[in-house]
Amino acid sequence: DAKTTQPTSMDCAEGRAANLPCNHSTISGNEYVYWYRQIHSQGPQYIIHGLKNNETNEMASLIITEDRKSSTLILPHATLRDTAVYYCIASNYGGSQGNLIFGKGTKLSVKP
Amino acid sequence: NAGVTQTPKFQVLKTGQSMTLQCAQDMNHNSMYWYRQDPGMGLRLIYYSASEGTTDKGEVPNGYNVSRLNKREFSLRLESAAPSQTSVYFCASIQSTPGELPQHFGDGTRLSIL
Repeated sequence: DAKTTQPTSMDCAEGRAANLPCNHSTISGNEYVYWYRQIHSQGPQYIIHGLKNNETNEMASLIITEDRKSSTLILPHATLRDTAVYYCIASNYGGSQGNLIFGKGTKLSVKP
Repeated sequence: NAGVTQTPKFQVLKTGQSMTLQCAQDMNHNSMYWYRQDPGMGLRLIYYSASEGTTDKGEVPNGYNVSRLNKREFSLRLESAAPSQTSVYFCASIQSTPGELPQHFGDGTRLSIL
């Protein structure tokens, strides 16, 4: 799995868009970019994933650069409940382990 | 639809005691995983099972054993608990197809060893 780099922490005003960057410059062609979040001490929650194209679902949008070396998770209208640690992971489930390597993530604080 | 269920949710042990953490998933997933998370840290893989009948070591397997009892259940055993094993333990499962819905996690077992 490719190593990812994320800022340690970020703040966002409630109602504004939260843009969380992730660098994965060593990503290989068959590795997907996954985003999870962990609210307080709950189990990690899947948000979104993508390979090459930008993706959008009911929770967020994922923008992947054309060279695939970085991506941005966008929460369009952040709420206080979006305060969490966000993990960016580059992984290929077709590999021998298929596990996700979680780093320390970005702690997003949404403020009123 | 329960997803991934872990029991117990909380446990306090004395050093040297043994216990088994239980995990069950109802999504017919092939692969199951055990992670631990220490305060302020990301998740670290302990053991995983790519399919029923197989298990493999992850990043931090020492002091643990696992059993893939059937397709639904994957248990983690501490034979002789040590204070260094105080942590939150998460179980997860996936279907194991690249690009498919990724891991689903349980709510964790908070384990304290005195």
